[in-house]
Amino acid sequence: QKEVEQDPGPLSVPEGAIVSLNCTYSNSAFQYFMWYRQYSRKGPELLMYTYSSGNKEDGRFTAQVDKSSKYISLFIRDSQPSDSATYLCAMSHGSSNTGKLIFGQGTTLQVKP
Amino acid sequence: DGGITQSPKYLFRKEGQNVTLSCEQNLNHDAMYWYRQDPGQGLRLIYYSQIVNDFQKGDIAEGYSVSREKKESFPLTVTSAQKNPTAFYLCASSIGLRDGYTFGSGTRLTVV
Repeated sequence: QKEVEQDPGPLSVPEGAIVSLNCTYSNSAFQYFMWYRQYSRKGPELLMYTYSSGNKEDGRFTAQVDKSSKYISLFIRDSQPSDSATYLCAMSHGSSNTGKLIFGQGTTLQVKP
Repeated sequence: DGGITQSPKYLFRKEGQNVTLSCEQNLNHDAMYWYRQDPGQGLRLIYYSQIVNDFQKGDIAEGYSVSREKKESFPLTVTSAQKNPTAFYLCASSIGLRDGYTFGSGTRLTVV
């Protein structure tokens, strides 16, 4: 079993839809949770970062962490064609001093005009 | 502007050849990482380095080698021992847990 599970999709939605992307994990030691966005043939870029449980909002994006369920989510409101990309969840052990991130497989999102 | 530069963008390797992928950062980050990305498999860690002259194997280090002689540079050599090297290679750096990673734009390696 992988430490981090993410449905690879692809996920196709119409423009303006609310998108929900999710990851589950098995290791309760994870404390730092991130979402990266990767456009085709590019490197991933950090989109959202949260520490421990709770919500964080940034514009149209909301990241949610539920440590009791070992489940994290990324919500995109009013989705745009420019949001079409692969979204990778990533997480890190709080006690680790290496900063190593464990990545999910990535979910491919297509937003149709 | 600060960032990570990977070169070349595309690289073609013949069977039995060693090739070296370049990664340079001017972010003053201590830690650097190499990942391999294959379709449907996400990012897999090859090697990482927390400090100059020190590096550790990741999950799929066989057939790869690295060096960290300077803080700014972390080149990756794909050796002839790597049986399936065709992939997208990503270099990243970080200052610590709170900042996440900054990634380069990647090198696509193809065996011909």
